[in-house]
Amino acid sequence: DTGVSQDPRHKITKRGQNVTFRCDPISEHNRLYWYRQTLGQGPEFLTYFQNEAQLEKSRLLSDRFSAERPKGSFSTLEIQRTEQGDSAMYLCASSLAGLAGYEQYFGPGTRLTVT
Amino acid sequence: GDSVTQMEGPVTLSEEAFLTINCTYTATGYPSLFWYVQYPGEGLQLLLKATKADDKGSNKGFEATYRKETTSFHLEKGSVQVSDSAVYFCALQAHEVSGSRLTFGEGTQLTVNP
Repeated sequence: DTGVSQDPRHKITKRGQNVTFRCDPISEHNRLYWYRQTLGQGPEFLTYFQNEAQLEKSRLLSDRFSAERPKGSFSTLEIQRTEQGDSAMYLCASSLAGLAGYEQYFGPGTRLTVT
Repeated sequence: GDSVTQMEGPVTLSEEAFLTINCTYTATGYPSLFWYVQYPGEGLQLLLKATKADDKGSNKGFEATYRKETTSFHLEKGSVQVSDSAVYFCALQAHEVSGSRLTFGEGTQLTVNP
């Protein structure tokens, strides 16, 4: 399977703990995006990378959130000192840069529950 | 900023009924428009897209036309099936704004009964 993969699929953690999610994009894609989706809402943009460079972060991404994409391949999203409001589905997507209407391919998501 | 508004759901139809899910958008410039579908327990999948005004995207019997004058991209299907039950998201992509990120609507839950 050469699609976007995410790990873990589900994560339950206690408030105040740190969590880290991983995303493996489609191998030839140079852009990688993170989105957050809460129940009953559409996904909201968090941040994106072109190759290894993180080029933009949404205001939704507080200082407790950090993302990396070393070597321009897989990416990690870490949430420090989790809060109940962080409970959501975290989606990763990848695409090729620069072309109008170029499709973003989504992974299955990591569902985070903070208790 | 950019935004997408979808008709309120959920929508419940009988098999073979006609489907319309309304979508309107606000954006600067000329975005690309998409419909994504999320089946239960699965990730988002692209259903169809249109990259310029008057383009019609189509796939699996679904269609949507990019109407610049009404800033709309309504999704239609002539005869729905039980297997079409899913959540449908309208989205826009402003080119090279925030890396061509997607801005999504709230989603519309569709249930098709046999």
